Amino acid sequence: GQSLEQPSEVTAVEGAIVQINCTYQTSGFYGLSWYQQHDGGAPTFLSYNALDGLEETGRFSSFLSRSDSYGYLLLQELQMKDSASYFCAVVSGTYKYIFGTGTRLKVLA
Amino acid sequence: EAQVTQNPRYLITVTGKKLTVTCSQNMNHEYMSWYRQDPGLGLRQIYYSMNVEVTDKGDVPEGYKVSRKEKRNFPLILESPSPNQTSLYFCASSSGRNRQYFGPGTRLTVL
Repeated sequence: GQSLEQPSEVTAVEGAIVQINCTYQTSGFYGLSWYQQHDGGAPTFLSYNALDGLEETGRFSSFLSRSDSYGYLLLQELQMKDSASYFCAVVSGTYKYIFGTGTRLKVLA
Repeated sequence: EAQVTQNPRYLITVTGKKLTVTCSQNMNHEYMSWYRQDPGLGLRQIYYSMNVEVTDKGDVPEGYKVSRKEKRNFPLILESPSPNQTSLYFCASSSGRNRQYFGPGTRLTVL
């Protein structure tokens, strides 16, 4: 079957660095995406990796290892506004998406 | 402003009463999807469309229908809603397999 695994909850303090891991088991892998969702809001795009390696966008970075079926999202210089749920998602060549169940990040002052 | 709109935002209905949730995007995107989000289950893809008149089933298509007659619109149809379809629904669009733009969501309650 197809599945993604990510931790259900992570807690960190303001200014810290946090890494959210995602392992996947899917067929027809095309790329790995990360989305942020605040309570009551819609998911918003953070990053996308189709090839192995690190992608950096400001305070956020995302990594992919296709051979290990593994990726992570790295959040640096954490701010209170980063408190949200983070979802990894795998997309296949036919545009079929599978999302993880989400990681709730709590940032403490 | 580039956006995905959904209507209605909130809907309470009764079992068996047909309903349609509309989705429209103004970015000329080829790809569109419908998701449902339930506590602890993340987002699950219901149907997706890769272009006009091209649709396919996602992970949880039972009880739903879609159509893509125009590029900008992708309505979700529940012909006979049941209480297990009570959920938060999101429409999304994209120009490729990288970034999806999500609508604001439709909270549906079926009594």
